[in-house]
Amino acid sequence: ETGVTQSPTHLIKTRGQQVTLRCSSQSGHNTVSWYQQALGQGPQFIFQYYREEENGRGNFPPRFSGLQFPNYSSELNVNALELDDSALYLCASSLSIAEGNNEQFFGPGTRLTVL
Amino acid sequence: LAKTTQPISMDSYEGQEVNITCSHNNIATNDYITWYQQFPSQGPRFIIQGYKTKVTNEVASLFIPADRKSSTLSLPRVSLSDTAVYYCLVGDGGGSYIPTFGRGTSLIVHP
Repeated sequence: ETGVTQSPTHLIKTRGQQVTLRCSSQSGHNTVSWYQQALGQGPQFIFQYYREEENGRGNFPPRFSGLQFPNYSSELNVNALELDDSALYLCASSLSIAEGNNEQFFGPGTRLTVL
Repeated sequence: LAKTTQPISMDSYEGQEVNITCSHNNIATNDYITWYQQFPSQGPRFIIQGYKTKVTNEVASLFIPADRKSSTLSLPRVSLSDTAVYYCLVGDGGGSYIPTFGRGTSLIVHP
């Protein structure tokens, strides 16, 4: 069974650029969530995708967008990058959306640096 | 209004039992309590989840009092490798669930 993988591992961009981060969910998982984690802070929920539809969104502007594909892999896109977007971006997959099912499996993250 | 409150940091020594308490005064009837562990530059890892009373697995125990307004994660006989940040979350896991991690508790285990 393959765990959650993310690419790239590290990325450096400049202000105003756009970035796409990728995530492959754990086998059999149809739900993917994305988080942003700044240094010294807990992960902040960006949004969740369930069967290719956005299912929930945290307090992030529209320039943060995403996709989920039929194989349940996912992308996070960030437009017009700002310095404060520098963070570790985490992807997590879960078996399904169901009451009582809070167990998520996280990938290793993508470290984004915006200069 | 924060959903959970945890101590910012704790220190312990190898071989001791560590108890980390989380307050969640506004927990809803359908909410579960979930704990994660995170090492530096890694994604969080699920430790344990419970609804009421006591839950135990191979790595930890979770104690939940009858009013469910708090919970305690218990790590038996910690080792240096248990040094990490521990997060407490509450939620129902359903379609409207938005996981809220907070800042967590930084546990340092000393030799």
